[in-house]
Parts: sequence; C-alpha cells; structure tokens
Amino acid sequence: SAVISQKPSRDICQRGTSLTIQCQVDSQVTMMFWYRQQPGQSLTLIATANQGSEATYESGFVIDKFPISRPNLTFSTLTVSNMSPEDSSIYLCSVGGESLTYEQYFGPGTRLTVT
Amino acid sequence: RKEVEQDPGPFNVPEGATVAFNCTYSNSASQSFFWYRQDCRKEPKLLMSVYSSGNEDGRFTAQLNRASQYISLLIRDSKLSDSATYLCVVKDTGRRALTFGSGTRLQVQP
Repeated sequence: SAVISQKPSRDICQRGTSLTIQCQVDSQVTMMFWYRQQPGQSLTLIATANQGSEATYESGFVIDKFPISRPNLTFSTLTVSNMSPEDSSIYLCSVGGESLTYEQYFGPGTRLTVT
Repeated sequence: RKEVEQDPGPFNVPEGATVAFNCTYSNSASQSFFWYRQDCRKEPKLLMSVYSSGNEDGRFTAQLNRASQYISLLIRDSKLSDSATYLCVVKDTGRRALTFGSGTRLQVQP
C-alpha cells in the first residue's frame, strides 16, 4: 500500500486567486492522478501526472487552469488558477494502478472553498 | 450516457438486513472492476475487486456480468459500520486511471 499526504487539508480562497496543492507519497510511483470531487458528486479525473513529461488532461480540463508539476517520483503539485466559486471542491491525489490488483490509493483530499 | 451508472440511493436498511447495489458500465472494453467505499468526508478506499467468476469476502459478495455490462454488490447481515457511500469503479483497457460511478449511499439503522 501507499501512504499519501496532501497539503493543505483545507483552504478558503477569494475568487481570482490561485492555490497550489501538494501531494507527497511514501514510495516512488510512476503515475500520479489528480481527481476532483464536487459537493455531492463522485470523483472526476482531472489529469494524469508522469514524472519527466507533461501531464495528460481529461476532457474539460486544461493546463492553464490546472497546471501540474511532477518534479520526482514521490511528489506532485496541482494549482487551481484564477479561482471561481465553481472550483469549490475536494481535490484528491491518487497513486496506483501498477499492481495486478490495480488498486489505487487516495490522499486525504484538499477541501477548497472559493468565496 | 454516463460511463458508470449507479442508483444514488439512499438505501435505508435496518441492522441485519441484506442489501444489494447495482451498477452498469458503458464501455464493453473495460478491463477491471471494483467497489470502493467512501465514508463521509474521507477519501475512497478499495472494498473489493470484482471478478467474472464472482467473489466473496466475508459478508460482501461481488458479481460481474460482462455480457450485460453489469456489476453488483451484496451485503449480508448489515452493520451500523457499513453506512457509507459505495462507489462502482471501472478501469478501461490502456488506462491506469479509474472511472467512478456517482455512488450509492447506504444508511444502516439500529
């Protein structure tokens, strides 16, 4: 299993500002994933972050709005840029999918409120 | 049409009841199937994988019907601690990321 930590755990931000969320894993992993969970909704994949290459974004998500860094095999950041109230959500970092069981492990999430 | 569809519930059942959740998926090339559990204000955690032959883990039984693109989860002898949202999850061929259903909320009552 993997132990994942995220910072910050929660934040309240003003519209128009940006927030960078950090994700740290206790072991080296090839892929890291960023998901969003809006209030009362399920998880939606934002992007897949590979070390040493550009992140791959899902339909509806763009790099200008959600820039991602992946400087090494244990760390990634997701920035939510030029925030609006619609960005209020829980942002979750995830790793896994590399074992036979394909199990993915999730960080505790960052609860973001944009006012 | 959503890629993974679930009845959102909530399912309110008494302790000791048997409850079944259903899920359908749209991509016939989907490779792997899972049930995750998410407690309120917590991250999702793997409950069990779902195999074509069906599999059982204690009070939990999962089944997969590839022809109908249908997945089920049966919980027997429900406990108060089973109260949570159960997420049907699919992994498509060629992708490592997961596709989540909207979740079914279960509330077990004393």
